[in-house]
Order: sequence, then structure tokens, then C-alpha cells
Amino acid sequence: AQSVTQLDSHVSVSEGTPVLLRCNYSSSYSPSLFWYVQHPNKGLQLLLKYTSAATLVKGINGFEAEFKKSETSFHLTKPSAHMSDAAEYFCVVSEGGFNDMRFGAGTRLTVKP
Amino acid sequence: DAMVIQNPRYQVTQFGKPVTLSCSQTLNHNVMYWYQQKSSQAPKLLFHYYDKDFNNEADTPDNFQSRRPNTSFCFLDIRSPGLGDAAMYLCATSRDTAGTSYNEQFFGPGTRLTVL
Repeated sequence: AQSVTQLDSHVSVSEGTPVLLRCNYSSSYSPSLFWYVQHPNKGLQLLLKYTSAATLVKGINGFEAEFKKSETSFHLTKPSAHMSDAAEYFCVVSEGGFNDMRFGAGTRLTVKP
Repeated sequence: DAMVIQNPRYQVTQFGKPVTLSCSQTLNHNVMYWYQQKSSQAPKLLFHYYDKDFNNEADTPDNFQSRRPNTSFCFLDIRSPGLGDAAMYLCATSRDTAGTSYNEQFFGPGTRLTVL
């Protein structure tokens, strides 16, 4: 069965500096991978998704992620953090079934002024 | 705008008093999901509907039930809420993408349930 590990439970950056949120996955098949963001007391919003097309995926709000099969990684990056980026981020792996989305434990991003 | 709507956003109930949470969607997606998310944890899938076919996760307590009267609406019923059921409940939808390898899910804003 597939699984996902978010390597950092909490990341803190200063406004204007780069963001790196790390995600490693395990899958027996060619998985789909997603990054979702959740602001306090809100639902989850899709940032970006990898579905076996281009390995470098661009998402909303300046985020992007690179699928690296050899490293089984799907790290999320942003060149310059904004205060509004402070939120919880979830990496998710799926092998295509309707009940097989596997969530990572989440990474809380704090952005300091 | 097409969206997933959850009502109410905040629900307070008493220990043991049945409660129903509501979800509606204007996306016309055929799959709907209910997740439970406790504080500082990832969402946990409770069940999903593929059209009218109900699919329960093996570890979902019997205390949780669901109804989907039509494509647009889905309800979560908690028959006898306990203190441990206090959580954010998220509804999500996806479209059957037969022939592809992914099913992107669209989430509602959630209902935060407090049990007194």
C-alpha cells in the first residue's frame, strides 16, 4: 500500500525567503501526488498535482513541486514566502482508487515578518 | 462558482445527542467523501459514496452513518456523539475519471463539531 512521509512537522521562514516543504512517498505503482494547503478553520485547497505528465509541476500562489522518482520525493517549494502562506500543508499520494488517498501528517509553515 | 458547501460551519451538541452535518455540491461530481480531522492531525476518511453506492472504511465506528439522497447532497449522522468525536468534519467530492490514474478531490470549508 502507498504511504507518504512529511519530513518536517514545522517549518519557520522569514517573509521573502525561500520555502521548502519535504515529502517522500512509497508506492508500488505510478502514483499521483498532491499538495493541499489548509488555513486555520478552513477546508483543504489544492495547490498542485502530479499525474505522470511533467515532473516539475507549477501550482497556485507561486508554489511548485518536482517529482523525483529516483529519490521517491515530491518536495514543495516557493522562491519567496509571503505572510499569507502561513498554514498547514499536506502531501498526499494516490494510486487511483476512490478511497486510497494517503495523507502525510502535515507540515505547519510559519512566516515571520 | 462551482463549489462544495458545508452547513453549519460550527455545531455544538451535547454528549449522546444525535447530530447531522450537511454537505452540498454544485460540481455535479459523482463521488462524495466524509473525513474526520482532529486537531493537528491529517484528515481521516470515514466513508465515500460512488453515486448511490456507499463504501464504509473498515475502522469507521458504527456511531457514524451517512445518507446521500441525490447527487448534490450528502449527510453525516452521528447517532450518539462522544467527547472523542469532537473534530472538524470535511466533505469532499471528486469526478470519476475512469481511464486515468487520479481523482482530485475538492473540499468544503468543514464543520467544526464541539461535544459538551
